[in-house]
Amino acid sequence: AQKITQTQPGMFVQEKEAVTLDCTYDTSDQSYGLFWYKQPSSGEMIFLIYQGSYDEQNATEGRYSLNFQKARKSANLVISASQLGDSAMYFCAMSSNNAGNMLTFGGGTRLMVKP
Amino acid sequence: EAGVAQSPRYKIIEKRQSVAFWCNPISGHATLYWYQQILGQGPKLLIQFQNNGVVDDSQLPKDRFSAERLKGVDSTLKIQPAKLEDSAVYLCASSLVRGSPNNEQFFGPGTRLTVL
Repeated sequence: AQKITQTQPGMFVQEKEAVTLDCTYDTSDQSYGLFWYKQPSSGEMIFLIYQGSYDEQNATEGRYSLNFQKARKSANLVISASQLGDSAMYFCAMSSNNAGNMLTFGGGTRLMVKP
Repeated sequence: EAGVAQSPRYKIIEKRQSVAFWCNPISGHATLYWYQQILGQGPKLLIQFQNNGVVDDSQLPKDRFSAERLKGVDSTLKIQPAKLEDSAVYLCASSLVRGSPNNEQFFGPGTRLTVL
């Protein structure tokens, strides 16, 4: 079984500063993928970044980077230079071949960016 | 490229009534998913289709929920009869293929259901 844990229900960050959102996962599969999604108040899930379990380099997409530590089973999202529009819910999720590639989501972290 | 479409966006019903949600995935996407997202939680997969066949419905409450994907394109999710605990946002997602962990799913705007 897959499990995703996000221990930070809510976080504040000052505009223009960097913030790290924590995510730990549990799986017995060797091949899996880790995703981060953003969900603004409008409700739509927006894909941010993906990391494969066999990728040796940490994934980066613009201001988003994924700090992947396989031995610790963590996949933290780092947002650099926070903007007011980054205020939203953030969900970590994983999929694996053995789980039919369905996404298992964590409980989410609400990020609030202060001006 | 058009995204995943869902309707209605909002629905309010009384308990024991029935309700149906519709989803039109991105053109060419073979896999379609329905998720239930209760307020304050992450989405939970209800059912996964590959073309018009069901791949996984292990978390679908089959005594009251049903879903179909006719012709492998649009999909409908139905609840009959609804309970108070069914109040949630129902998200539809689609992906191009199934079979690898990096299979990005694209989500629709969701349908917010309130059961009174």
